[in-house]
Amino acid sequence: GAGVSQTPSNKVTEKGKYVELRCDPISGHTALYWYRQSLGQGPEFLIYFQGTGAADDSGLPNDRFFAVRPEGSVSTLKIQRTERGDSAVYLCATSSGGVADTQYFGPGTRLTVL
Amino acid sequence: QKEVEQNSGPLSVPEGAIASLNCTYSDRGSQSFFWYRQYSGKSPELIMFIYSNGDKEDGRFTAQLNKASQYVSLLIRDSQPSDSATYLCAVSYQGAQKLVFGQGTRLTINP
Repeated sequence: GAGVSQTPSNKVTEKGKYVELRCDPISGHTALYWYRQSLGQGPEFLIYFQGTGAADDSGLPNDRFFAVRPEGSVSTLKIQRTERGDSAVYLCATSSGGVADTQYFGPGTRLTVL
Repeated sequence: QKEVEQNSGPLSVPEGAIASLNCTYSDRGSQSFFWYRQYSGKSPELIMFIYSNGDKEDGRFTAQLNKASQYVSLLIRDSQPSDSATYLCAVSYQGAQKLVFGQGTRLTINP
């Protein structure tokens, strides 16, 4: 497809479990971003990749959160020891990588931690 | 801390009228400004971006930027019920790629 895709669309897990969320970028987009959106709030930045490397991870809330992009395309956001407060929609966005370049969002993964 | 502020609304506008959405930001180093539309249960969709002071028009949408007042707005002319959504203002800062979002304004267009 032409757009950003994210899997799964919904994920329900129990407190303390480990989850992985996947993002497939638009073909050719070198920049990839993860955001988290809670109900009634705007998206909150988590981490930004340029190619394979994390260029800015200042938004990761703590060391339970980690993200990788080993081949510069698909990215996985990993959350260890999930907590109920991690429940949110996790959004992935990609861009062609220029300064202040337009970011295009995927449909998101709704994570619910019981 | 860099902040982007929007009135959360809801803002109710009659069909055919002009809807005016406002956003202020705290950091004078802000470089680029974006308006996204988000329908309930969907992801943000880019409407417009603006980099320079003044107005930028695209169809029924006009973005206005005033860097001296640290203010950006979005006008929607001839509002349609399909414009009912949450509108997110986002700002990027010099030297940074990430977007900082406001909390969004919920807009309802009444037929």
